[in-house]
Amino acid sequence: KAGVTQTPRYLIKTRGQQVTLSCSPISGHRSVSWYQQTPGQGLQFLFEYFSETQRNKGNFPGRFSGRQFSNSRSEMNVSTLELGDSALYLCASSFDTGITEAFFGQGTRLTVV
Amino acid sequence: TQLLEQSPQFLSIQEGENLTVYCNSSSVFSSLQWYRQEPGEGPVLLVTVVTGGEVKKLKRLTFQFGDARKDSSLHITAAQPGDTGLYLCAGATGGTSYGKLTFGQGTILTVHP
Repeated sequence: KAGVTQTPRYLIKTRGQQVTLSCSPISGHRSVSWYQQTPGQGLQFLFEYFSETQRNKGNFPGRFSGRQFSNSRSEMNVSTLELGDSALYLCASSFDTGITEAFFGQGTRLTVV
Repeated sequence: TQLLEQSPQFLSIQEGENLTVYCNSSSVFSSLQWYRQEPGEGPVLLVTVVTGGEVKKLKRLTFQFGDARKDSSLHITAAQPGDTGLYLCAGATGGTSYGKLTFGQGTILTVHP
């Protein structure tokens, strides 16, 4: 069974640009969550999608947005990039049985210069 | 706001020693997961505990969920260099907190040969 796939693995962007990250969940998993990981803040929840609907959102500015497609694949977009957005962005998928048991992808390392 | 206090932050031990990592909160969690993360990779799920007082064993790793479901511990017996990594606890509150895991700050474990 293939795991969670995130693309690209690495990205370098300039301040002010925007970026789109992609996540393909484990087959059969309908819930996709996104997290930001930084050395100072650890892992912080961005948002969660299920059946193309955002069900939950963390405390991040509106520059961070996402969407989910009918095949459960998800994308995350960050507009007007800031230096502080440099982080490892992790996608996790769950079967959504009521227990939030998340399986993570390898992440996308975003560097904003 | 749910917080998970994880301790210790750093642990440097010799091969063969035993260790325990703690995860504490004032909040009740419906489930708690433990993950291990290698540098530049996503967290890998080790175990999920759901029932208060539950104990799960995974080879040399023993996981315990507190009776009140507010705390958990990870005990490693006879640590090996391959156990080196970042260990993370993460709690789910269930209900409408879809997909959201609250993570501890992590414990960086280094096992010296």
